Amino acid sequence: AIQLTQSPSSLSASVGDRVTITCRASQGISSALAWYQQTPGKAPKLLIYDASTLESGVPSRFSGSGSGTDFTLTLSGLQPEDFATYYCQQFNTYPYSFGQGTKLEIK
Amino acid sequence: QVQLQESGPGLLKPSETLSLTCSVSGDSISGYYWTWIRQPAGKGLEWIGNIYTSGRTRYNPSLKSRVTMSADTSKNQLSLKVTSLTAADTAVYYCARGDWALKSWGQGRLVTVSS
Repeated sequence: AIQLTQSPSSLSASVGDRVTITCRASQGISSALAWYQQTPGKAPKLLIYDASTLESGVPSRFSGSGSGTDFTLTLSGLQPEDFATYYCQQFNTYPYSFGQGTKLEIK
Repeated sequence: QVQLQESGPGLLKPSETLSLTCSVSGDSISGYYWTWIRQPAGKGLEWIGNIYTSGRTRYNPSLKSRVTMSADTSKNQLSLKVTSLTAADTAVYYCARGDWALKSWGQGRLVTVSS
């Protein structure tokens, strides 16, 4: 099974900051990666798929890049509603798998 | 807009079988993949598996021998069964539409396994 490792596991930032979250796959997954945002008590929300395609309705301050084994999610100009936990998911090979999550907290 | 709603018992005993239903409104379940995911409290997401409405299923090998998914197009519902429950199966269970890029999710159903 493909393992996804996110880093960091948590980070603190301020409103207006730019942050980057990394997701590394244990083997190549082409561009078959999605990013989700989850707030407490809520279901995850799709942000990006195919590594860099922004889901409809998601603000353009979210962006994704990468292919193969290394991927990044970048948030530019953090807003208060962006403080949440972020997960990557690979859909290249069954069983699909998620990263362990990155919790973004307010500094 | 499609809406998903998980339902089923919230408390089960070890060794029992979990049966959850995902009721879909706003669209037919036909022609789509449907995915089940679970999340233990305070932990990350685990992909349980998915089903296409033709009946084809893919399960996570970590659960494969205990999981069964099915689709009932007449009721516009999906179902998930997990047998031989242990405390480790305590989690919020989600259904979502899609095989990848899961755009629509239910609100989740908390299932607690405890004697």
